[in-house]
Amino acid sequence: QVQLQESGPGLVKPSQTLSLTCTVSGGSISSGSYYWSWIRQPAGKGLEWIGRIYTSGSTNYNPSLKSRLTMSVDTSKNQFSVNLSSVTAADTAVYYCASESSTVTGRALDYWGQGTLVTVSS
Amino acid sequence: DIQMTQSPSSLSASVGDRVTITCRASQSISSYLNWYQQKPGKAPNLLIYAATSLQSGVPSRFSGSGSGTDFTLTISSLQPEDFASYFCQQSYTTPRAFGPGTKVDIK
Repeated sequence: QVQLQESGPGLVKPSQTLSLTCTVSGGSISSGSYYWSWIRQPAGKGLEWIGRIYTSGSTNYNPSLKSRLTMSVDTSKNQFSVNLSSVTAADTAVYYCASESSTVTGRALDYWGQGTLVTVSS
Repeated sequence: DIQMTQSPSSLSASVGDRVTITCRASQSISSYLNWYQQKPGKAPNLLIYAATSLQSGVPSRFSGSGSGTDFTLTISSLQPEDFASYFCQQSYTTPRAFGPGTKVDIK
């Protein structure tokens, strides 16, 4: 069973870049069966899809974040990452990584990390 | 972009009640609709994918229906562990989008 774990700073200063990494275990990030996704959730609010990356490096981003967003994948470490630049307090949220199956569950997000809180504050 | 709406935004129910949550897409998404349950402080958990398919390990009291723009999640007999928030999500196209959520609490 695939397991995901987010890691990265819990506090980022305004105007700086938020960087998070998701480590995948129990399966290969290169398997080709998944898109690797990021979702965030401000406290007490709903879920916002940030974007996804395929093992080839192909990406799809949320247009509302696209100008500040970069995703990458490191197959040697079985990890994928997200960078969000020029952050403001509005980017404070719990950030989740998740896998989107391209086969078994019809493009649903079937495995999730536990989430990591990122606070943007000086 | 496709917008998702849900109703109600919250509901109060008792153990044993039948509960229905509705999700609507701003355009047809065929059957590319998924449902997630989220408990406080936890990551969402996939319940239903492709509108009607029950994810492995999810109790059979959960069911999904619909296609096109209108979808429903039904809990046939609410159990204590079902008090949580529920989100729909379209996977028809990118950007993926979630509904705003429905909070189910104890009456």
